[in-house]
Amino acid sequence: GAVVSQHPSWVICKSGTSVKIECRSLDFQATTMFWYRQFPKQSLMLMATSNEGSKATYEQGVEKDKFLINHASLTLSTLTVTSAHPEDSSFYICSASEGAVYEQYFGPGTRLTVT
Amino acid sequence: SQQGEEDPQALSIQEGENATMNCSYKTSINNLQWYRQNSGRGLVHLILIRSNEREKHSGRLRVTLDTSKKSSSLLITASRAADTASYFCATGGGSNYKLTFGKGTLLTVNP
Repeated sequence: GAVVSQHPSWVICKSGTSVKIECRSLDFQATTMFWYRQFPKQSLMLMATSNEGSKATYEQGVEKDKFLINHASLTLSTLTVTSAHPEDSSFYICSASEGAVYEQYFGPGTRLTVT
Repeated sequence: SQQGEEDPQALSIQEGENATMNCSYKTSINNLQWYRQNSGRGLVHLILIRSNEREKHSGRLRVTLDTSKKSSSLLITASRAADTASYFCATGGGSNYKLTFGKGTLLTVNP
């Protein structure tokens, strides 16, 4: 149980285009989903927290107009990187939690490369 | 901002040996969790220890928590080559259930 999937697992896009990454909880209802960014050999940096049906809460320094997050259902959250630039290239990981708990279940990550 | 600091940053041991990784944090917490990440993959939850617990076991894993020193340790006993991965501690304490991750320890277990 507690499986989280991400799609796509990797994507290459051209500078200036937008990319959408999906995060799905497969066997539980995720009231809260989190989006992280991870640079090579570094730790996870929380980008935003999203609760189903409400606006995402972004961490300081994360541009909400650039990283659009939608959590329209209890099993799906999407992260759209708008007008991507090479510096947006990174590993993006989502996680989901069920209810008021601290344990998070992580997706396998999406490797984004912007050329 | 980063709260947890893992120590050491990298650890290389032989199969069968024990591996100990430490984590220190700065603010009060509700719980501390350890995660494992294989290269280029997502994170796998290993164990959660609450602030009122001092030690917890799960299989070959043993986690301790010392809230007075704001530190935790993860011990992997009888290590295997398949244990090779990065290990992160993460602290939780806010009402929004956010986790703050440390920088991680890269463990290499040589066969």
